[in-house]
Amino acid sequence: DTAVSQTPKYLVTQMGNDKSIKCEQNLGHDTMYWYKQDSKKFLKIMFSYNNKELIINETVPNRFSPKSPDKAHLNLHINSLELGDSAVYFCASSHTHPPDRSSYEQYFGPGTRLTVT
Amino acid sequence: RKEVEQDPGPFNVPEGATVAFNCTYSNSASQSFFWYRQDCRKEPKLLMSVYSSGNEDGRFTAQLNRASQYISLLIRDSKLSDSATYLCVVGYSGGYQKVTFGTGTKLQVIP
Repeated sequence: DTAVSQTPKYLVTQMGNDKSIKCEQNLGHDTMYWYKQDSKKFLKIMFSYNNKELIINETVPNRFSPKSPDKAHLNLHINSLELGDSAVYFCASSHTHPPDRSSYEQYFGPGTRLTVT
Repeated sequence: RKEVEQDPGPFNVPEGATVAFNCTYSNSASQSFFWYRQDCRKEPKLLMSVYSSGNEDGRFTAQLNRASQYISLLIRDSKLSDSATYLCVVGYSGGYQKVTFGTGTKLQVIP
């Protein structure tokens, strides 16, 4: 009965490769997010999708491309991986019915630890 | 100035102690405030929302001061299991939802 799941949990790959991370939520939420947590533990939002529509796109290199086939899934594809991409990537989801505060309560997946060598 | 600022700690406190964390935010239009907890190598988990009137959940008390733009978290009777990083989160809706996470305050409860 996992709420937000991500695969894979660990990903070790070489520079220049292309890789994907998948995320699924069974909470019935309509907004999903990708965050990057670097070695300094700073959690920074990368993308947000609402009902399959991109609504937040922070300053992320265009090597990163999110795809949302439906509102329960948000995948992240990374091209030409670089050493600096090594981090933990978290998927999250929430409802969106402002101004209800609960719409900001985000539920996170377990994370994907990406190591680029 | 960072959007959300926290003292990174670590705060090393003995079991049973009371400890308080503060967090300041820069956007006066912020509407929602939360504390999340993150254990080592785990995902962040919602600890509690922070309401204008202040709120309490067992040993945890959260307060909001809009005038000074800070929120606080008080933990009473600290347990070893409280050891974690506590993340302050501030939400803003300017056409779309956006939340900003603080860098976290690390708490270590010592036997």
